[in-house]
Amino acid sequence: DAKTTQPNSMESNEEEPVHLPCNHSTISGTDYIHWYRQLPSQGPEYVIHGLTSNVNNRMASLAIAEDRKSSTLILHRATLRDAAVYYCIPRPYSGGGADGLTFGKGTHLIIQP
Amino acid sequence: DAGVTQSPTHLIKTRGQQVTLRCSPKSGHDTVSWYQQALGQGPQFIFQYYEEEERQRGNFPDRFSGHQFPNYSSELNVNALLLGDSALYLCASSATGYSNQPQHFGDGTRLSIL
Repeated sequence: DAKTTQPNSMESNEEEPVHLPCNHSTISGTDYIHWYRQLPSQGPEYVIHGLTSNVNNRMASLAIAEDRKSSTLILHRATLRDAAVYYCIPRPYSGGGADGLTFGKGTHLIIQP
Repeated sequence: DAGVTQSPTHLIKTRGQQVTLRCSPKSGHDTVSWYQQALGQGPQFIFQYYEEEERQRGNFPDRFSGHQFPNYSSELNVNALLLGDSALYLCASSATGYSNQPQHFGDGTRLSIL
């Protein structure tokens, strides 16, 4: 499995954009990059995933470096509800088969009002 | 539409005992994965069940076993409990046949070993 490096913690102000980085220099060519987050006292929640190009959904945007060795999760306008631990997870293409997720320690995002 | 549900929410056991945790997957999902999350750590993959069989397993001893029922619900069994088994146990469900589908997690069972 590809190794990931994320900051232990980051702090941002409410209503400002947040850029959460992840290094995954050993990622293979067919690994997708998934992001999950875990709010306090809850199970992890899927945020977004991508392979090569940038991706957007209602929760966030994912910017993937051209060499795919790093990616950045972008929250365009952080709210207090976005305070959580964010996990970057390279995920092999499984063709619909088995794949347990490999979580690291993630980034603890703190949002100041 | 109910999401993933787990029971019980909290459980206290003593060393050497056995425990069974239960999980009902999200409607339409046929695959169930189990994770262990120690305090301050990310979840660690235990195993995954599909078509009532263990399909993939993480680095956990045989004391950890599971079962999946025809209605896709699942149980996690842990025998000979150790103090180090104290953790949050998470269940996640997904739909097989669609690559890279997100896993949907329950809120977990908090297991404390005395």
